[in-house]
Amino acid sequence: EIVMTQSPATLSGSPGERATLSCRASQSVSSNLAWYQQKPGQAPRLLIYGASTRATAFPARFSGSGSGTEFTLTISSLQSEDFAVYYCQQYNNWPRTFGQGTKVEIK
Amino acid sequence: QVQLVESGGGVVQPGGSLKLSCAASGFTFSNHGIHWVRQAPGKGLEWVAFIRYDGTYTYYRDSVKGRFTISRDNSKNTLYLQMNNLRPEDTSVYYCAKEGRGYHDFWGQGTLVTVSS
Repeated sequence: EIVMTQSPATLSGSPGERATLSCRASQSVSSNLAWYQQKPGQAPRLLIYGASTRATAFPARFSGSGSGTEFTLTISSLQSEDFAVYYCQQYNNWPRTFGQGTKVEIK
Repeated sequence: QVQLVESGGGVVQPGGSLKLSCAASGFTFSNHGIHWVRQAPGKGLEWVAFIRYDGTYTYYRDSVKGRFTISRDNSKNTLYLQMNNLRPEDTSVYYCAKEGRGYHDFWGQGTLVTVSS
């Protein structure tokens, strides 16, 4: 099973700041990496797929990069609606596996 | 628009059974694989099972193999998860999620399963 490790566990940021979230895979997953956003009491929503393709519902301040084992989600300028938990997931192998999540909170 | 609506959750004793359903609309159900993903209270996401668009292939996480069965009825646009021999650690919100090309592009709102005596 591929283990996905996210860092940091919690990121405290102010509106307007840049946020960088990391995700590492225990073995290569090529570009088969997705990011999801989850707000309290809501289902997750697809944010990024193919490591860098943004889902249509999300604005351009969200970007993804990386391949192989190292991936990054960047929010260029935090907005109030971006405070949430973000999960990475590999879909290169079975079983599909998620990282433990990074909570982005208001400083 | 794509909609996935889960139902069938509830409270069940350890060793009991429960069958979840996921009603789909807004897309051609028979053309897409579907997953079940769960989330224990206050915890992260955990993939559970997958069924191919035509039902010919299924995959499960090890901890549910032999206890859970994923199935679908394409004539009813509905996905199922039969859960037997439930354990307290199965307590979670269960989401159905449509497959994009490996990733989950749409999710339902989830149904809560509580395994407790």
